[in-house]
Amino acid sequence: DSGVTQTPKHLITATGQRVTLRCSPRSGDLSVYWYQQSLDQGLQFLIQYYNGEERAKGNILERFSAQQFPDLHSELNLSSLELGDSALYFCASSLYSQAGELFFGEGSRLTVL
Amino acid sequence: GEDVEQSLFLSVREGDSSVINCTYTDSSSTYLYWYKQEPGAGLQLLTYIFSNMDMKQDQRLTVLLNKKDKHLSLRIADTQTGDSAIYFCAEFLMDSSYKLIFGSGTRLLVRP
Repeated sequence: DSGVTQTPKHLITATGQRVTLRCSPRSGDLSVYWYQQSLDQGLQFLIQYYNGEERAKGNILERFSAQQFPDLHSELNLSSLELGDSALYFCASSLYSQAGELFFGEGSRLTVL
Repeated sequence: GEDVEQSLFLSVREGDSSVINCTYTDSSSTYLYWYKQEPGAGLQLLTYIFSNMDMKQDQRLTVLLNKKDKHLSLRIADTQTGDSAIYFCAEFLMDSSYKLIFGSGTRLLVRP
């Protein structure tokens, strides 16, 4: 158990809809990262927050947004969903803002029909 | 540029050694990591190596780094069926981005 909690574990929705994925980082960790894992794109970095502030941005679509709240949990919002957004979305956390040692949650599997 | 490449698949017999290879492109990398993803689970850090090291050994795992060729390998000695998983190489960029870039992962299948 990494200590990172993600909900929901599975989500099925329709194209055009909006969903919110939630992540609670490991106790004491200030950084939260979001990654998308799909079969054809591998593991893609989306965005990182550190202590409530956006720290780094990767290949995140404009239809996607995220935030980190004062209690350090984070939410990833995906809107106007397309079939190609079907993937496993991972949250990871670390203590520092610049770190390679990340602790990953078990992921939220999103299926868009 | 940022690019980490791995072969997609490796199959070995139980008890043999496995060698998973990775190449990276960014010279600003300082730490290189190996993560393991078991079925239905998130990634788990296995080991890492600092860029001024050539080798690091941790029980059954040996990491070799050839910085000149930007080549990283993970050797698993006495591979067990429980080692079947996807193994990701990752480089931590020390340029202004401070990002962790993952390879596409190598699926290791251990045959009994």
